[in-house]
Amino acid sequence: DIQMTQSPSSLSASVGDRVTITCRASQGISNSLAWYQQKPGKAPKLLLYAASRLESGVPSRFSGSGSGTDYTLTISSLQPEDFATYYCQQYYSTPPLYTFGQGTKLEIK
Amino acid sequence: QVQLVQSGAEVKKPGSSVKVSCKASGGTFSSYAISWVRQAPGQGLEWMGRIIPILGIANYAQKFQGRVTITADKSTSTAYMELSSLRSEDTAVYYCARALIAARQDWFDPWGQGTLVTVSS
Repeated sequence: DIQMTQSPSSLSASVGDRVTITCRASQGISNSLAWYQQKPGKAPKLLLYAASRLESGVPSRFSGSGSGTDYTLTISSLQPEDFATYYCQQYYSTPPLYTFGQGTKLEIK
Repeated sequence: QVQLVQSGAEVKKPGSSVKVSCKASGGTFSSYAISWVRQAPGQGLEWMGRIIPILGIANYAQKFQGRVTITADKSTSTAYMELSSLRSEDTAVYYCARALIAARQDWFDPWGQGTLVTVSS
């Protein structure tokens, strides 16, 4: 199985800050990576897919990059509604054996 | 816009089974697969398995092989996840999520609202 290692596991930041979350796969996944945002008591919400493609309706302050095994999610200027937990997910495996990173909890400083 | 609507919370005894449903509202399962993902309290997301309803083909994460069965009823656009031999560690919120069937285009969107399954004696 492809293992996904996400870092940091938690992060404190202020409104207006730029933050970056990293996800590393145990093998190359050819940009088959999605990022999700989850707020307490809610289902995860898709933010980006194919490593860098923004889902419709998601603010442009969210961006993704990377290739091979290493990927990043960047929030350019944190807004109050962005404080949540973020997960990466690989969907490269065939047959599908999807795996998620451990999550990054983004908290208000 | 399709929504996935899941069945309500369940409380089960250890050793029993639970069956959770996921109905597509405002759309169908055509060209899509339905995955099941669980989240234990305070923990991360764990993929359990998926089904392609139009083919009736399911595959499962190794951890759950033999204990989980995912089925679908195309006529009602409803998928089901049944987990047997429940133990306390299976207490979690269970989510369904839709994805395209095409390989490497199968990110999850949308997700159901989640179903809390509590296993307690």
